[in-house]
Amino acid sequence: DTAVSQTPKYLVTQMGNDKSIKCEQNLGHDTMYWYKQDSKKFLKIMFSYNNKELIINETVPNRFSPKSPDKAHLNLHINSLELGDSAVYFCASSHSGTGGLRGYTFGSGTRLTVV
Amino acid sequence: KQEVTQIPAALSVPEGENLVLNCSFTDSAIYNLQWFRQDPGKGLTSLLLIQSSQREQTSGRLNASLDKSSGRSTLYIAASQPGDSATYLCARNNWGDQGAQKLVFGQGTRLTINP
Repeated sequence: DTAVSQTPKYLVTQMGNDKSIKCEQNLGHDTMYWYKQDSKKFLKIMFSYNNKELIINETVPNRFSPKSPDKAHLNLHINSLELGDSAVYFCASSHSGTGGLRGYTFGSGTRLTVV
Repeated sequence: KQEVTQIPAALSVPEGENLVLNCSFTDSAIYNLQWFRQDPGKGLTSLLLIQSSQREQTSGRLNASLDKSSGRSTLYIAASQPGDSATYLCARNNWGDQGAQKLVFGQGTRLTINP
């Protein structure tokens, strides 16, 4: 199936730990994103990568470090997890430029709970 | 700054009714606008994508319109069914201040269709 897939789906961890979320897309898109959905269900962009290059970095704490080994993968590493990091994290992808005319495709989300 | 606003925040209607969900945005220089559906605890499903040059798009019982000059989009759902119950998200795509496209979401309309 062509899709954006994220792992893990659920992640429960203690404060202070370091964790990673992985994302892969097989849609042939060249741009990938991380979005955060907070407790009020509001979705906000965190990062965007185009062909492995960081192109958007919203005001996100530097404990969050995205990494894109190739244009089909975008991982999110979080250091020193805090209670406020609890949220659902969505990966998405799209074509850049005129390809953006086809819209964005989202993964099913990773529910992170910090205890 | 709220760039995309959705009204109402919640809507409950009897099965079979036609209904309209509203979305307004502050920047008329959009690239395109996308409507998504989110079921509880699930990811985002793309419903309709309207390019900036288009006025409307239709898919089955769904029709989305776009009026750039007034900064508004509507999602019309005909003959509503209990399976339509979900949160509907409107998102505009345009060039951000970092020179890349980004999708900015409204806070959603939580729709409940009563049998």
